[in-house]
Amino acid sequence: EVQLLESGGGLVQPGGSLRLSCAASGFTFSNSAMSWVRQAPGKGLEWVSGISPGGGDTPYADSVKGRFTISRDNSQNILYLQMNSLRVEDTAVYYCARKTSGAAPFDDWGQGTLVTVSS
Amino acid sequence: EILMTQSPATLSVSPGERATLSCRASQSVSSNLAWYQQKPGQGPRLLIYDASTRATGIPPRFSGSGSGTEFTLTISSLQSEDFAVYYCQQYKNWPPSTFGHGTKVDIK
Repeated sequence: EVQLLESGGGLVQPGGSLRLSCAASGFTFSNSAMSWVRQAPGKGLEWVSGISPGGGDTPYADSVKGRFTISRDNSQNILYLQMNSLRVEDTAVYYCARKTSGAAPFDDWGQGTLVTVSS
Repeated sequence: EILMTQSPATLSVSPGERATLSCRASQSVSSNLAWYQQKPGQGPRLLIYDASTRATGIPPRFSGSGSGTEFTLTISSLQSEDFAVYYCQQYKNWPPSTFGHGTKVDIK
């Protein structure tokens, strides 16, 4: 059974930093493309960033480019999202999601971790 | 960036009735279209991919159709567990992968 377990969310002040983690199990992590997708309170889904199986390709949404960094540790089966210069509008539940390739649907999702940016 | 528009925003349906949800893309996405179901407090669940293929474990009352710019998700006979929010997503032009704003299916 595929499991994706996010952690690292919390309350942070504007301008602050946070690192999210996603522990993966039940599939061959090193063969899967991964993404972070967020959902602001009461809103829809917004893709944030993705990473290829080997980590060499890391696209970002324009809204987070230059502030967020996605990475992965294939030896530990963990996906990361380093979030710097956080803004109030970054407040959201952050989900990690798995897919088989770049142009593919998200087969599996985690339960999410809430990030609140507020003074 | 391809914009995805879903309609209606809310659909009120009685249990056992048919529900039809629409999704329109601002330009052709061929059949690179997925549907997801999301319940409160949960992550989304993949229902349909490639516009009409059910994901593993999805019951046959869920069906998808369409190609190009117009897509439909049909739930043939709504069960109590189907009341949720449904999102469409295009993955033809990636990145970014873009989602519709969702259709909430609630009890009439």
